[in-house]
Amino acid sequence: GAVVSQHPSRVICKSGTSVKIECRSLDFQATTMFWYRQFPKQSLMLMATSNEGSKATYEQGVEKDKFLINHASLTLSTLTVTSAHPEDSSFYICSAIVMGYGDEQYFGPGTRLTVT
Amino acid sequence: AQSVTQLDSQVPVFEEAPVELRCNYSSSVSVYLFWYVQYPNQGLQLLLKYLSGSTLVKGINGFEAEFNKSQTSFHLRKPSVHISDTAEYFCAVTVGDMGRRALTFGSGTRLQVQP
Repeated sequence: GAVVSQHPSRVICKSGTSVKIECRSLDFQATTMFWYRQFPKQSLMLMATSNEGSKATYEQGVEKDKFLINHASLTLSTLTVTSAHPEDSSFYICSAIVMGYGDEQYFGPGTRLTVT
Repeated sequence: AQSVTQLDSQVPVFEEAPVELRCNYSSSVSVYLFWYVQYPNQGLQLLLKYLSGSTLVKGINGFEAEFNKSQTSFHLRKPSVHISDTAEYFCAVTVGDMGRRALTFGSGTRLQVQP
């Protein structure tokens, strides 16, 4: 089946630094990937939609200059948290749509970001 | 815009008992509905989905759900739960162009199976 990976699975960084999270579709091409954020004991909230070869579409309230998304190929999207602050600590999950099979999103295992 | 309400934040149940996790949605157009399970510190795994056709949908791990358009509900059921079913369960909805839209999630229900 379709597999989505994320790297790293966990990351701890200091306040003010930047962190890059990768989302890869391992055995399929994904024209569209989504980035979600999940705070402890809460649901997933969509941050942005990432389309290969074009600019990401951000949800209202999500700072595009802080959360940089690059979807440079059909198998890779990256989320960079710039100038991270403790309030950015969260679980970040990506999902990808299988090209040609538009009825299911496949989710990555998530990345736990802790900003100290 | 669509929305999803999961009425129960936590559902404790004894092993081998039946369980129902409730989900109601709101949308002005036709919807596609999903149930996902999330184990601690992991991503989401699809349990089942309703796209069209039969309103009773069977999924993995013995779960099933029934789409009820008149009541705008998509409750998840399992006749006999196991300890291993302890996890967070999310109901989700999307509308319109199925292959291009993100999911809107409910707030989640924590299923706690006790021995």
